[in-house]
Amino acid sequence: DQQVKQNSPSLSVQEGRISILNCDYTNSMFDYFLWYKKYPAEGPTFLISISSIKDKNEDGRFTVFLNKSAKHLSLHIVPSQPGDSAVYFCAASDAGNTGKLIFGQGTTLQVKP
Amino acid sequence: EAQVTQNPRYLITVTGKKLTVTCSQNMNHEYMSWYRQDPGLGLRQIYYSMNVEVTDKGDVPEGYKVSRKEKRNFPLILESPSPNQTSLYFCASSSSTGGWTEAFFGQGTRLTVV
Repeated sequence: DQQVKQNSPSLSVQEGRISILNCDYTNSMFDYFLWYKKYPAEGPTFLISISSIKDKNEDGRFTVFLNKSAKHLSLHIVPSQPGDSAVYFCAASDAGNTGKLIFGQGTTLQVKP
Repeated sequence: EAQVTQNPRYLITVTGKKLTVTCSQNMNHEYMSWYRQDPGLGLRQIYYSMNVEVTDKGDVPEGYKVSRKEKRNFPLILESPSPNQTSLYFCASSSSTGGWTEAFFGQGTRLTVV
């Protein structure tokens, strides 16, 4: 039972354009959402997060949007750069159970020069 | 340099031969966790620890053991490895104040069980 789903295994965009990565979740108890980025042969690194009390959080070229009613979040990267090519994992946590971080399957982003 | 160190990075072993993957962090973090990454399944939590001598099961704990005798170390033990434990393993740590937002991951251990 996948509580956090990333339904697009891969995404390819042109350099300079917008990349939109999507994530859906089923557990309404999740109240914190995170995006991690992973390059080959490295561990995931934290990218950006959002609390359930917000609907948007922005950090430079990266913006995360949260739609609680649809149980959906998305990561926007504008403008996309070749160095953004990586696997992106969406993750969710229930603050009442701080040891649990549930990850999605990941989306491989390729940004073409 | 703040880091999470896993060893070994690569390991090929035979079914049933006990092995330990070590994890060490130098950031004085309270929280530590083990994940496995499999194609199409993302990262799944095996075990986690919120402090010394405090461990709990994640989503896929079967076939694994952990211990947290010291704050900096969180070894993953496979008492009798099987081929379905062939996977890419990651250790992570974070502070209790940052929660999992600021989780730092190790570089991964690729395990093959034949």
